[in-house]
Amino acid sequence: NAGVTQTPKFQVLKTGQSMTLQCAQDMNHNSMYWYRQDPGMGLRLIYYSASEGTTDKGEVPNGYNVSRLNKREFSLRLESAAPSQTSVYFCASSGVQYNQPQHFGDGTRLSIL
Amino acid sequence: GDSVTQMEGPVTLSEEAFLTINCTYTATGYPSLFWYVQYPGEGLQLLLKATKADDKGSNKGFEATYRKETTSFHLEKGSVQVSDSAVYFCALSANQGGKLIFGQGTELSVKP
Repeated sequence: NAGVTQTPKFQVLKTGQSMTLQCAQDMNHNSMYWYRQDPGMGLRLIYYSASEGTTDKGEVPNGYNVSRLNKREFSLRLESAAPSQTSVYFCASSGVQYNQPQHFGDGTRLSIL
Repeated sequence: GDSVTQMEGPVTLSEEAFLTINCTYTATGYPSLFWYVQYPGEGLQLLLKATKADDKGSNKGFEATYRKETTSFHLEKGSVQVSDSAVYFCALSANQGGKLIFGQGTELSVKP
């Protein structure tokens, strides 16, 4: 079972470069999420998508854009990377009801120099 | 707004010791509560959950009881193993759409 697949696993960028993080799920989930994880801060929600065709801002959306390409795929784009965006990024998916657990990918470790 | 507070780590225990990781929450309404575990280099995995007051979630020897009167969801295990070394996150979900609010995580290290 693949679950939630993120690519790439590691990436190093220079300040000002752009890149897109890819995420795909095979569980037929309606909702998908992007988080960043920083030491001592837990996980913070960047953007989420409750269904295909909809996206909403989370706690820390500045500097990011997202696209819900179809039900399976939800991408995160950094248009002009900054060192403050160095982090580990996780994609997750879930059913729409509030008591449904989220399923996480293995993360993308992003360093911006 | 809704929030989750966990005891700070790191927590270091000897094998077979008793584990408690405290978690308290603030939420309007009636949230669902979760514990996730993150092993080194991996994503988060659901460990257990409880969806209403007095529910007890359990998995792999871990337990947590949803206490509405104390707004708590403490994680316990009677005898930890080296393989339990990981970061543990408490989380709540109070809204439609499945959004989660996480605590800051507690790192557990179990020594042989």
